[in-house]
Amino acid sequence: DTAVSQTPKYLVTQMGNDKSIKCEQNLGHDTMYWYKQDSKKFLKIMFSYNNKELIINETVPNRFSPKSPDKAHLNLHINSLELGDSAVYFCASSQATGGAMDTQYFGPGTRLTVL
Amino acid sequence: QKEVEQNSGPLSVPEGAIASLNCTYSDRGSQSFFWYRQYSGKSPELIMFIYSNGDKEDGRFTAQLNKASQYVSLLIRDSQPSDSATYLCAVSDYKLSFGAGTTVTVRA
Repeated sequence: DTAVSQTPKYLVTQMGNDKSIKCEQNLGHDTMYWYKQDSKKFLKIMFSYNNKELIINETVPNRFSPKSPDKAHLNLHINSLELGDSAVYFCASSQATGGAMDTQYFGPGTRLTVL
Repeated sequence: QKEVEQNSGPLSVPEGAIASLNCTYSDRGSQSFFWYRQYSGKSPELIMFIYSNGDKEDGRFTAQLNKASQYVSLLIRDSQPSDSATYLCAVSDYKLSFGAGTTVTVRA
């Protein structure tokens, strides 16, 4: 059974389009995250939700809008895609926040390419 | 200053040798420290976490933490070709901050 799953795995689209990435975890975790990993492999947090409530919102353009319909799902919608949005987007989940419960489990990633 | 800095790679070690990875962090309030391994084209996976000063061993891996020096390291003993990957140091305060990673290549 896949613990953290994401769809789609690959996404190729034109500049200016709007796209969504979906994430689901079956670990029973309370906290979910979106990360962006750029071409230099630097992994940076974008958002975090705890039990459907937004708790971390890093300096991300407001073209990016996360949504958590329930604590097992966290989706990411991106409007007006730009070339610089090309990256791998990872979803992750953790039992809670703080200490060892911060241990995060990552999904397989979505490779987004904006042409 | 970056929040989490790792020694620049790539690091090449012969099979059977010890690979030593270093990480420093800027926030003295950080409480938990993690090492993740990421194979090319794959997602990060946890190797181990540490939150007390000293050493923590798990199989061939040993994490060392020195909060006074704001330093955490990972030793990989008896390195195997399957250890070839990028190793990410992560530090937790209210969020998990990752270093840029060190790529390790184990030569057979």
